[in-house]
Amino acid sequence: AQSVTQLGSHVSVSEGALVLLRCNYSSSVPPYLFWYVQYPNQGLQLLLKYTTGATLVKGINGFEAEFKKSETSFHLTKPSAHMSDAAEYFCAVSEGQAGTALIFGKGTTLSVSS
Amino acid sequence: NAGVTQTPKFQVLKTGQSMTLQCAQDMNHEYMSWYRQDPGMGLRLIHYSVGAGITDQGEVPNGYNVSRSTTEDFPLRLLSAAPSQTSVYFCASSYSTGGVFGGYTFGSGTRLTVV
Repeated sequence: AQSVTQLGSHVSVSEGALVLLRCNYSSSVPPYLFWYVQYPNQGLQLLLKYTTGATLVKGINGFEAEFKKSETSFHLTKPSAHMSDAAEYFCAVSEGQAGTALIFGKGTTLSVSS
Repeated sequence: NAGVTQTPKFQVLKTGQSMTLQCAQDMNHEYMSWYRQDPGMGLRLIHYSVGAGITDQGEVPNGYNVSRSTTEDFPLRLLSAAPSQTSVYFCASSYSTGGVFGGYTFGSGTRLTVV
């Protein structure tokens, strides 16, 4: 079965600093990969996804992620953190028939200080 | 366009009671899933469906039943509630275009407490 590991349950950065959230996956076939964000007491919002094609994927709010097959990684980055980026971030990989259900990592909480 | 609608938003059950969490989507999405979210555990897949009449188990299916009689609706049934089922439940739907999976749109969640 596929699985996702998010390194670091809590990441703290200063406003304006680089954001790097790490995600590694296990899969025996080319996966579909996703990053979601969850603000307090809300549902999940899709930040970006990799399905096929270009390995550098750009998402909303200035985030991007790079699919590296050799490293089985899909790390999320943002050049300059903003206070509004404070939230919980989840990496997910497709699972099941025709890649139709998601398996999530345990999440990384991002804190941004001024 | 309402997206994915979950009801109720909050529910308190007594141990042993049964109930159904409702989920409806108006985007004509073929794929739907149920997840539970617990602190430090991320989201875990309970059941999913690839179309009307077709369902399958996820990571943590025990104690839950689903059915998919229409494209729009995907209810989750708790047969006999247990305190271990205290959680936040999310329903999600998605589509596939040209064989490429679109990624899920999530509802706002149901917060369930079993006492």
